[in-house]
Formats: sequence, structure tokens, C-alpha cells
Amino acid sequence: QKEVEQDPGPLSVPEGAIVSLNCTYSNSAFQYFMWYRQYSRKGPELLMYTYSSGNKEDGRFTAQVDKSSKYISLFIRDSQPSDSATYLCAMTKAAGNKLTFGGGTRVLVKP
Amino acid sequence: GAVVSQHPSWVICKSGTSVKIECRSLDFQATTMFWYRQFPKQSLMLMATSNEGSKATYEQGVEKDKFLINHASLTLSTLTVTSAHPEDSSFYICSARDPGLAGGPGTGELFFGEGSRLTVL
Repeated sequence: QKEVEQDPGPLSVPEGAIVSLNCTYSNSAFQYFMWYRQYSRKGPELLMYTYSSGNKEDGRFTAQVDKSSKYISLFIRDSQPSDSATYLCAMTKAAGNKLTFGGGTRVLVKP
Repeated sequence: GAVVSQHPSWVICKSGTSVKIECRSLDFQATTMFWYRQFPKQSLMLMATSNEGSKATYEQGVEKDKFLINHASLTLSTLTVTSAHPEDSSFYICSARDPGLAGGPGTGELFFGEGSRLTVL
């Protein structure tokens, strides 16, 4: 069993819809949680970073962490075709430590 | 945000040759950099942790004699793929942490380079 599980998709939604992404994990020691966006043949770009449980909002993006359920989510409101990419969740036990990535979910936003 | 630059972005080489990939932190000093490999439609797999002024720490299953890592300065780490073979063809990505960013109690933020695509013929 992988430490971090993420549905590979693809997840196809119409423009303007809410994109809902999630990851589950097995290691309760993870404390820091991140979401990255990766366009084809590019390096990952940090979207959201949260520490421990709770919600964090930044523009159209909302990240949620539920440590009791070992479940994290990313919501993208008012999705745009430019949001079409692979979204990777990542987590680590301590700040600055190596990240453990989910497999990534491919998202397609259709105009 | 912090910028991490990789060079070259794409390289093609013959089997048996060595290839060097550079990773630079452009506006911050990075005592630690990470090297990842990513195969098509797969996630990033950590290869090694590069520490400035000391030996790199390799993940299990990664050959340290094949993937040479040098972190000679606070802004530069290099990955050399020695005696490359077609199975080494992959997307290599480095990342670095900006210790100066206030992202929380310490920061787990990592910034990634644009990646280097290696094709071994």
C-alpha cells in the first residue's frame, strides 16, 4: 500500500464547475500538506501549503486537511481551461524534510 | 516566489555517455536541494537529498555511483548521470527550500525547477 493515495483521473469538468481533488494517507506523522500543479513537461508549481488540520483559502483555491481521517482536499472554484493540468498532493513530517507525493490527478476543464 | 532554475531543459545523448544537469536557486541560498525522477504519467520519485558541503543522501534503490550529486555551493547542485542507458531516459526535476520564507512554523515549501528531459539513444 502506498503512503499517499490519489486517484489518477482523468477528471473532466465543464468550465466554471468546481473541481474537487483529494488524497488519503496512512502515516499519521505527516504534518505539512501541499498541493502542486504540474503542466505537461514542466516542473510542479506550489499552489497551497497548510500545516496540520484546517482550511486555507487563496483566491479560487481552497485546501482542507482532516488529520483525524488522514484525508486532504483541494477545491478549485470557477474552473478555467487553463486549470487543466496534473495536480499532485504532497506531505512531509517536518518542515524542510523530503516530500512524499501522491500519484497525481489529471484534470481537464472543457470550455 | 522563489525561483529554481534547471539546465539543460532537454538533452539527448548516446548510450554510455555521461550527462550533467544543473540546478540553481536564483534568489535564495539553499542548503538542501532534492532530486526527483518522473516517468511519463507517474508521480515524482525522490532520488536523493543534496546537502551543501556534504555527501548526498540517496533513497533506497538509487545507485549513488550512477547518479553523482555535487552540491558545491549554496545556490548550485548538479546531477550527473554516468554511463547513461536508454532506461535512464526520464524527466529529472530538482527542488530547493527557501529557508527565508515565513510559511508557518518553519516551512515545508519547496520550489521546483522546470525539469530536464533526458533521452538516451
